[in-house]
Amino acid sequence: DAGVTQSPTHLIKTRGQQVTLRCSPKSGHDTVSWYQQALGQGPQFIFQYYEEEERQRGNFPDRFSGHQFPNYSSELNVNALLLGDSALYLCASSSDAGGFYNEQFFGPGTRLTVL
Amino acid sequence: GNSVTQMEGPVTLSEEAFLTINCTYTATGYPSLFWYVQYPGEGLQLLLKATKADDKGSNKGFEATYRKETTSFHLEKGSVQVSDSAVYFCALSQGAQKLVFGQGTRLTINP
Repeated sequence: DAGVTQSPTHLIKTRGQQVTLRCSPKSGHDTVSWYQQALGQGPQFIFQYYEEEERQRGNFPDRFSGHQFPNYSSELNVNALLLGDSALYLCASSSDAGGFYNEQFFGPGTRLTVL
Repeated sequence: GNSVTQMEGPVTLSEEAFLTINCTYTATGYPSLFWYVQYPGEGLQLLLKATKADDKGSNKGFEATYRKETTSFHLEKGSVQVSDSAVYFCALSQGAQKLVFGQGTRLTINP
């Protein structure tokens, strides 16, 4: 089992550009969540996708958008990059088995640097 | 809204010392509580969890008890090792699985 995988590992962009980050969930998982972790801070929830739809969203502007594909993989898109978007972006997958809590498994993250 | 507050780090201890990392939370209702660990260059790993009041989560010698009366979930270990050096995050979730994290506590264990 490969676990949650993310690509690319590192990315450098300039202000105003657009970026796409990718995530493949753990085998058997159908739900993907994205988090932003600024340096020295805890992860902040961006949004969650289930059945190819955004199910829940955190306090992030519309510049942040996402997509989930039929194979449950997901993309995070950020438009009009700002310096403050520099962070580690974490993807987490889980199985929406209907229980009270379904453990989220995290990928290693994509380090985005905006210059 | 829901929030988590952790003791500020960094925390530096000698090997075999006793560890406590404090965590308190604010939430309506009855959240599930977690401790995650992040080793250098790696993603977050679930260390332990507790889903209802008075539950004790434990793993790898670490323990934390869900205290509803004090809204706390302090992490403890009786004898730390160099390999425990990492960043520890306290977190809660409620309902739809969104995790709310504290700011993290960097732990360094010296031999």
